[in-house]
Formats: sequence, C-alpha cells, structure tokens
Amino acid sequence: GAVVSQHPSWVICKSGTSVKIECRSLDFQATTMFWYRQFPKQSLMLMATSNEGSKATYEQGVEKDKFLINHASLTLSTLTVTSAHPEDSSFYICSASMGAPGSYNEQFFGPGTRLTVL
Amino acid sequence: AQRVTQPEKLLSVFKGAPVELKCNYSYSGSPELFWYVQYSRQRLQLLLRHISRESIKGFTADLNKGETSFHLKKPFAQEEDSAMYYCALRGNSGYALNFGKGTSLLVTP
Repeated sequence: GAVVSQHPSWVICKSGTSVKIECRSLDFQATTMFWYRQFPKQSLMLMATSNEGSKATYEQGVEKDKFLINHASLTLSTLTVTSAHPEDSSFYICSASMGAPGSYNEQFFGPGTRLTVL
Repeated sequence: AQRVTQPEKLLSVFKGAPVELKCNYSYSGSPELFWYVQYSRQRLQLLLRHISRESIKGFTADLNKGETSFHLKKPFAQEEDSAMYYCALRGNSGYALNFGKGTSLLVTP
C-alpha cells in the first residue's frame, strides 16, 4: 500500500514551453503533497507544500508563477513548469502523506520525473 | 534555521564491517529526525525515525540532543545495504522535511 506515482517519468521540452507533471496517490487519500527538486548528486530541496483544495505554500526563493501547483483532489497534484528554460532542467520528486496537516504522517515518495529543457 | 549536515558524500566499507553514517543537525526546537534510503533506480523510502526507536534491516539510530546528532549504525554491513542514505529533519512548526545532502554507502565483498 501507500504507492505514489508520477507521470511522466521523463520529459524533454523546448525552451519557452510549459510542462505539466502529475503526482498521484494510488491507494490512499493524500491530504498533503510535497514537491521537491533534486540536482545531480545533491539533496532534495523542498519547493512547495500543497494541501487539497487550498493554495500551495512555496519555499523561499521558489517562484510561484513559474512553478504552478494544483492539488484539486485528494489523489492528484500537478506541478506545471511554465516557460521552461534550461536551468529548470532537474529531477522533480513528489511525496504524499495522509492525515491531518501538522501531525506526523509518513511521506511516501514518487519515483521522480526527469525534466530536460533544450 | 533548520540545517542537516551529512559530512560524508561517500562511505565505502567491506561486507561484515560495522558502518556508521553521520548526521548532525541544527534546530532550536525539538525536531523529529528520520533516515531515508534510496536504492539504485528506486524511489526514496523511509528507513527509520527516532520517535519509533526501532531497528530496520539491522540499522539503528539514536538521537543525541547534546551532540545534535542522529548517526545511522549497523554492526555488520551487507552488500544489499549499498544505497544512498539521506538524513532528514522535521521541525515542530510544520510537517515538511529538510534533507541532508546524502551519503552514498558502498559495501564491497
């Protein structure tokens, strides 16, 4: 149980285009979903936290107009990279947790999406 | 501010040898500490957390508030332990995780 999927697993796009990445909790309802970014051989950096039905909370330095997050249902969150540029190329990972926000609930991670912007 | 430090990028040990992956943190409140593991070509998964005080796959970690450390230990390393290990901290003001840079453990026969 507690499986999180991401789609696509990898994507290549041209500079200036927008890319949408989906994160789904397959067998549980995710009250909260998290989006991380990971550069090669570096750690996961939290980009934003989203609760179903409300606006995402972005970490300092993350442009909310560039990285649009939607968490419209308890099983789906999307990250849209708008007007992508080569510096946006990275590995994007989502995680999902169930239960009341603020309390500890294990985060279950997706397999990640490799974005390459040409 | 929260900070998690894993001083070793790479740790190589022989099979059967003890292994310790270091993790130090800085946080003014009472943090929750976790170890996550990522095996080759697999997703990140929780290994253990300090609250549960359990041993998973032979690994243990004790939270030392005096030294602000949460080192991961295993008395006898196995080849299947080779993976990337991340220490993570969750502050009591939220539920997001702050990850260290990770340590790549390589267990050789």
